[in-house]
Formats: sequence, C-alpha cells, structure tokens
Amino acid sequence: DAGVIQSPRHEVTEMGQEVTLRCKPISGHNSLFWYRQTMMRGLELLIYFNNNVPIDDSGMPEDRFSAKMPNASFSTLKIQPSEPRDSAVYFCASSLMGQGMGGYTFGSGTRLTVV
Amino acid sequence: AQSVTQLDSHVSVSEGTPVLLRCNYSSSYSPSLFWYVQHPNKGLQLLLKYTSAATLVKGINGFEAEFKKSETSFHLTKPSAHMSDAAEYFCVVSEADSWGKLQFGAGTQVVVTP
Repeated sequence: DAGVIQSPRHEVTEMGQEVTLRCKPISGHNSLFWYRQTMMRGLELLIYFNNNVPIDDSGMPEDRFSAKMPNASFSTLKIQPSEPRDSAVYFCASSLMGQGMGGYTFGSGTRLTVV
Repeated sequence: AQSVTQLDSHVSVSEGTPVLLRCNYSSSYSPSLFWYVQHPNKGLQLLLKYTSAATLVKGINGFEAEFKKSETSFHLTKPSAHMSDAAEYFCVVSEADSWGKLQFGAGTQVVVTP
C-alpha cells in the first residue's frame, strides 16, 4: 500500500482565493482525520469521518473551512476564502476502527502558505 | 476527557547516551497511548503503541515505553541516541469511546550532539 496520499505537497495562494486539499486514505481504513499543525498551536484536530460520515467537526476554525468525504477513498478540505492565518501544514490520517485502536497512518502533509 | 502533557519541550543528548522523553496523561477511560516521531518537513510516523496488553512496549528504531497506570505516565526511552533520532516526538492518547480521536501532546524537540 502506498500509504495515505495527500496533494498537493505545497500550495501557495493569495488571500481570498479558494484552496482545496486532497487526501486518499489507506484502502480498507474506515476512519479519516484532518489535522492542522502550526508553531503556535501545535497539532489540532479539525474534523474526522467514520465510514464517510463526519463524526465531529468541532475543530473546524470557522465557516470558511469545509470538508467532504464522498467515498471511502477520497476526502477534501476546502478553505474559501483563504486568509494568511490559515498558513499551516495540514495532515490527513486514516485508521481502521476496532483494530486495537492503533492503526493510524499519517500522510506527508500539505504545506499551505497564504500571502 | 483526555489530555496529555509532555514535560519537556526540548531535550538535548549526546550521541550514544540514553534518551528519556516524559509524558503524563489524563483519561476517564482505559486509554490507548502512542508515541509518534516527526522529522523536519516530514509527516508523523508511529514509533510504538500501548493498547492494554503488555505494559512495556517496544517500538521501532530501538525505542520503548512503559505504561504506568499508578503514575499515569508513558515515558519514552532509548538506551543509546543516534544522530538520526533528532526530531520532534509526540505523546498521544486516545480513549476507547472517543471514536478513535487522538489527543496530541505539545511535542518534545530532541537534539542530538556529536
């Protein structure tokens, strides 16, 4: 398995533009998590899905952020409009619930810079 | 509610000497505990995990951690540091009823000097 695949690896965009981050989880995993990492706040859970259904989106900063998981093999995190304070590394992770609570695999992340 | 506290934000060790990274947790239920490592500009890699089996857990790259319920601790150790161990390390807790949601510690930056 190629692991959790995120794209793009790097994204530089202008303030006000729409940004879409993509994630392909490990085949067979039924839970997917989006995290954001900054120097100031560390790793923050934004939202997670179980069997493609959003379970908890309380970590989503505001309405500018939205996430979807249309099927078991794909998820997106969208920011519209983007702001400089959204600059961070965004990680996607997947796991198989019920399997010893340990199968979390992280992608390599998307480094977002909003100028 | 679950939380995790990493007691040191930075640790500096000499190559070949032992490494100790301290972690205390708080959990309402039987927790699962993990250590992840993040090398510069890389993603997070699982080092080891505790899920209510043996309290001494061995992981990759010579790391191990001991779950001590009485002390609510899950410290990470390695007998002999290598230059490639320079990275940031995260202690993570997850509760059985939290749908697998992970709670990350603030991280410990490890520097290894020659």
